Amino acid sequence: GAGVSQSPRYKVAKRGQDVALRCDPISGHVSLFWYQQALGQGPEFLTYFQNEAQLDKSGLPSDRFFAERPEGSVSTLKIQRTQQEDSAVYLCASSPQREWGDTQYFGPGTRLTVL
Amino acid sequence: GENVEQHPSTLSVQEGDSAVIKCTYSDSASNYFPWYKQELGKRPQLIIDIRSNVGEKKDQRIAVTLNKTAKHFSLHITETQPEDSAVYFCAASITGKSTFGDGTTLTVKP
Repeated sequence: GAGVSQSPRYKVAKRGQDVALRCDPISGHVSLFWYQQALGQGPEFLTYFQNEAQLDKSGLPSDRFFAERPEGSVSTLKIQRTQQEDSAVYLCASSPQREWGDTQYFGPGTRLTVL
Repeated sequence: GENVEQHPSTLSVQEGDSAVIKCTYSDSASNYFPWYKQELGKRPQLIIDIRSNVGEKKDQRIAVTLNKTAKHFSLHITETQPEDSAVYFCAASITGKSTFGDGTTLTVKP
């Protein structure tokens, strides 16, 4: 079946612009995660949804970052008033709900460049 | 919060040799430990994982060991091949959140 997809794959924004990044998880997956990956680093947790509920947003770096998953499927990560330090690859992952231990399946990422 | 340290940051081996990558974690509540392989410009792909009720798991040339007491886990790749060259990430997970190491760049020389 289809894997996790993300769009756009590449986004160039001028500093101060707002951007919206989309994630389509694997059909039926309950959990959805957003990560930020800077060049040469491991993914860093941003936020986590279980169905439409945002259960953890402790990794969002500032109030300029906002994520939603209104119908428990597609998710959007929005960044307002982008700054140069927001330049990174934004990865989305989904997982089926298990009793414990979640295998996460990653999307290809959106590379955001803020000029 | 959880802190994961991964070593070494770079590893170069000759084709056919073994490679070992080690990670330590700080939160004893972490109960799931996946390993990902990421090729340049590609998404992380799960290669093996282990849950906290198991001490060792093997899948062909790849094995992972977990020591809960010491809070460390390791990835072992035997009979390395040039196509194993990539960046490898470990992670420690509590349901809902994964903390990743900084990665190991593995180069397998033919």
